[in-house]
Amino acid sequence: DAEITQSPRHKITETGRQVTLACHQTWNHNNMFWYRQDLGHGLRLIHYSYGVQDTNKGEVSDGYSVSRSNTEDLPLTLESAASSQTSVYFCASSEDLNTEAFFGQGTRLTVV
Amino acid sequence: TQLLEQSPQFLSIQEGENLTVYCNSSSVFSSLQWYRQEPGEGPVLLVTVVTGGEVKKLKRLTFQFGDARKDSSLHITAAQPGDTGLYLCADRDDKIIFGKGTRLHILP
Repeated sequence: DAEITQSPRHKITETGRQVTLACHQTWNHNNMFWYRQDLGHGLRLIHYSYGVQDTNKGEVSDGYSVSRSNTEDLPLTLESAASSQTSVYFCASSEDLNTEAFFGQGTRLTVV
Repeated sequence: TQLLEQSPQFLSIQEGENLTVYCNSSSVFSSLQWYRQEPGEGPVLLVTVVTGGEVKKLKRLTFQFGDARKDSSLHITAAQPGDTGLYLCADRDDKIIFGKGTRLHILP
């Protein structure tokens, strides 16, 4: 079955380190999204992509970057991890711009 | 910037009771989606509504979209413990913007 997977599921890193969270989908969806989820803030959009070589900033993009070199993957990089980036991160993909988005199971990132 | 407000933030009720949660937007929705998220999982789509005044039913869940397409409600009849979770409304356009959610707990 097609799916969307995130790795790792849990990660602890130190302040200032570069961290990359992986997201891989097997539906061949063009549209992919990264969110962070924090208590009191809900799901906030970090970056999104409509296809290979396309990336766009969301509402909380500072300190994060993405690249889209193929259809299946949209890795999220924290250039220099900060304690404020401790959160649960979700990746999602969708076939079209108005259709159902399928979410991964999340990555819990702790920055110490 | 569009603001989505969901109410109540938290709701704890007994099994068998009925409940309604609400989603209001500062601007017109492109289309509105409701998701449910269980602990440790990503959100899962329940329904998409597009037309003002639209009503959709999913078993014991009834979704209404306001005539002006700026608000929506989710009504659950005879709540069950399996309904426990975080209910999120979202504006679905070229990206997905979420409200903060209603955390629902059904007591057995």
